[in-house]
Amino acid sequence: GAVVSQHPSWVICKSGTSVKIECRSLDFQATTMFWYRQFPKQSLMLMATSNEGSKATYEQGVEKDKFLINHASLTLSTLTVTSAHPEDSSFYICSARPDDTYEQYFGPGTRLTVT
Amino acid sequence: QKEVEQDPGPLSVPEGAIVSLNCTYSNSAFQYFMWYRQYSRKGPELLMYTYSSGNKEDGRFTAQVDKSSKYISLFIRDSQPSDSATYLCAMSRSTLGRLYFGRGTQLTVWP
Repeated sequence: GAVVSQHPSWVICKSGTSVKIECRSLDFQATTMFWYRQFPKQSLMLMATSNEGSKATYEQGVEKDKFLINHASLTLSTLTVTSAHPEDSSFYICSARPDDTYEQYFGPGTRLTVT
Repeated sequence: QKEVEQDPGPLSVPEGAIVSLNCTYSNSAFQYFMWYRQYSRKGPELLMYTYSSGNKEDGRFTAQVDKSSKYISLFIRDSQPSDSATYLCAMSRSTLGRLYFGRGTQLTVWP
C-alpha cells in the first residue's frame, strides 16, 4: 500500500514553454502533499506544501508565479513550471502524507530537461 | 551553515561489512529523525524513524540519535549488494513539520 505515482517520469521541453507534472496517491487520501526539487548529488529541497482546497505554501525563494501548484482533490496535486528555462532543469519529486499518519510517501520523481 | 550536513561519499564496502552513515545538524529544535533510502531515479523510501535521543533497531538496520552532539547515525550490518543506494537523513521539528534533508551518501556494496 501507500503508493504515490508521478507523471510524466521524464520530460524535455523548449525554453519558454510550460510543463505540468502530476502527483497521485493511488491507495490513500492525502490532504497534504509536498513538492521537492533535487539537483544531482544534492539534497531534496522543499519547494512548497500543497493543501487540498487551499493555496499552496511556498518556501522562501521559490517563485509562486513560476511554479504553480494545484491540489484539486485528495489524491491529486499538480506542479506547473511556467515559462521554463534551462536553469529549471532538475529532478522534481512529490510526496503525499496520509491523513492519519506522519509519514510521507514519495513518488518516483520527474526529470525535467529544458532545452 | 546548512541545517543538515551529510558526507556525500561515495562509500564502497564489501558484502558483509558493517556500514556507518552519519549526519550532523545545527538546529536543536529538531526532534524527529529519519533515514531514507533512494535508488537511482526513484523517490526516497523511509527506512527508520526515531524520536529524540536513543537507539532503534530494525533487522539489519540500527539508527542512533545523540541530541547532545547533534549527531545521528545509521548502521547497516551484514551489508548486501541490494543495499547499494543513496541514503538520506532527514529531520523535523514536529511530527507533521517539514522535513530537512541531508545531501545523501552514495553507498555501493560489492559482492
